[in-house]
Amino acid sequence: QVQLQESGPGLLKPSETLSLTCTVSNYSISSGYYWAWIRQPPGKGLEWIGTIYRSGNTYYNSSLKSRVSVSVDTSTNQFSLNLDSVTAADTAVYYCARQRVGFYDTFDVWGQGTMVTVSS
Amino acid sequence: DIQMTQSPSTLSASVGDRVTITCRASQTITRWLAWYQQKPGKAPKLLMSKASSLESGVPSRFSGSGSGTEFTLTISSLQPDDFATYYCQQYNSSPLTFGGGTKVQIK
Repeated sequence: QVQLQESGPGLLKPSETLSLTCTVSNYSISSGYYWAWIRQPPGKGLEWIGTIYRSGNTYYNSSLKSRVSVSVDTSTNQFSLNLDSVTAADTAVYYCARQRVGFYDTFDVWGQGTMVTVSS
Repeated sequence: DIQMTQSPSTLSASVGDRVTITCRASQTITRWLAWYQQKPGKAPKLLMSKASSLESGVPSRFSGSGSGTEFTLTISSLQPDDFATYYCQQYNSSPLTFGGGTKVQIK
C-alpha cells in the first residue's frame, strides 16, 4: 500500500525558509494522482497549503501563495514544500497527503506528520 | 473562500449513544464533502466522501447525509474506538477548506 513520509528540520528561526520533503513509497508519483501539503497548528484545525501534479502543475492556498512553493521530483519519487519568511504562526504539524483522483478531491492517504516549530 | 462551520465543537457522549455532527458551508458545495477522523498524535483518516460514500473498511455505524450547504455525520452507536475529533472538508472549489473540528469525548 502507498505510504508517505515527511522529513525536514523541526526547528526554524523567524524569517527562515521551511523546507520539507515527502517521500512516497509503493507507488510511482509519475503514474498519477495529485500530492498535497496540509498543516495543523497545535490544538487547532487543518489548513490546506498546496497541491502538485506529476506534470508540475501547482495549486496554492491564496492565504499563503506569496510565500509557498511545491515541487516534485519524479526521479526520487518525492515532492517538497518551501515556505518563505516563517513566523511563529507557521508553527504546526505538516502533513503530506495524496488526493485521490484530481485536485478537487479528498485526501485519502496521509503521512504521519512532522512538527515544525518556529522560535527565536 | 468557502467557510466550513462545524457544530458542536465538543460533544460528550457515552458508548452506545447515537451521535450527530453538523457541517455547514458558507455557499453551496453540492455533495463535494468529506469527513475525517483524527485521533491524538495521528494523521486524519478519510471516513467518507461525496457526503455519504463510506470508505472501504469504515464501519457501517458511520453514515453521512446532506447536500448544498448542510451536512451531517452520524454514528449510530458510539464505540470506544470512535472517541476522536472529526473534520469535514469541502472540495467543491479552491481553496480546499476544512471545518474547525468536533471533538467527541467520553461523557
